[in-house]
Amino acid sequence: GENVEQHPSTLSVQEGDSAVIKCTYSDSASNYFPWYKQELGKGPQLIIDIRSNVGEKKDQRIAVTLNKTAKHFSLHITETQPEDSAVYFCAASKVNAGNMLTFGGGTRLMVKP
Amino acid sequence: NAGVTQTPKFQVLKTGQSMTLQCAQDMNHNSMYWYRQDPGMGLRLIYYSASEGTTDKGEVPNGYNVSRLNKREFSLRLESAAPSQTSVYFCASSALTGYANQPQHFGDGTRLSIL
Repeated sequence: GENVEQHPSTLSVQEGDSAVIKCTYSDSASNYFPWYKQELGKGPQLIIDIRSNVGEKKDQRIAVTLNKTAKHFSLHITETQPEDSAVYFCAASKVNAGNMLTFGGGTRLMVKP
Repeated sequence: NAGVTQTPKFQVLKTGQSMTLQCAQDMNHNSMYWYRQDPGMGLRLIYYSASEGTTDKGEVPNGYNVSRLNKREFSLRLESAAPSQTSVYFCASSALTGYANQPQHFGDGTRLSIL
């Protein structure tokens, strides 16, 4: 089955700096890659996703890049703010597999004011 | 504006007790999912229901049963709770997938402790 690895497990940045979280996946048939933000005591919230026919997607301060050849994708957050502090999860899935998501282990991002 | 609602939010059980976790969504989604989240780990899929009337096993189904009661509701049952089932349980829903995967929307979880 699919295996998703996520790095780093913790990341501390200064407010205003950029943060990058990287994920690798094992199944070359995977074609959908969402990113979730989880705040303490809450459920994961989708922040951005990318499909395999696209190399990069942006939404304001957040961007995701995908390298299908290398089977990795990354989340980029620019101009970080204290409210960006949370746990971020990447995931992967493929069509015709019940929309099942395989999650990475998570990255705890801390933005220091 | 509720989205996915899970009840209860917290529960403590003794080993061997049974319990049903409830999940309801108001987004008219066809597909629903149950995940568990353990400390320091990502979410793992327990069971899912691609559409009303169907259920399938996920990555970690042992010790659990599910019921898709109707389009809105999907319940998870622990028949004989074990300490290894102490976890945070999340329910999610999505539109029906056709040729493209659909985003999943999550509830805020049920925190379950088994003593």
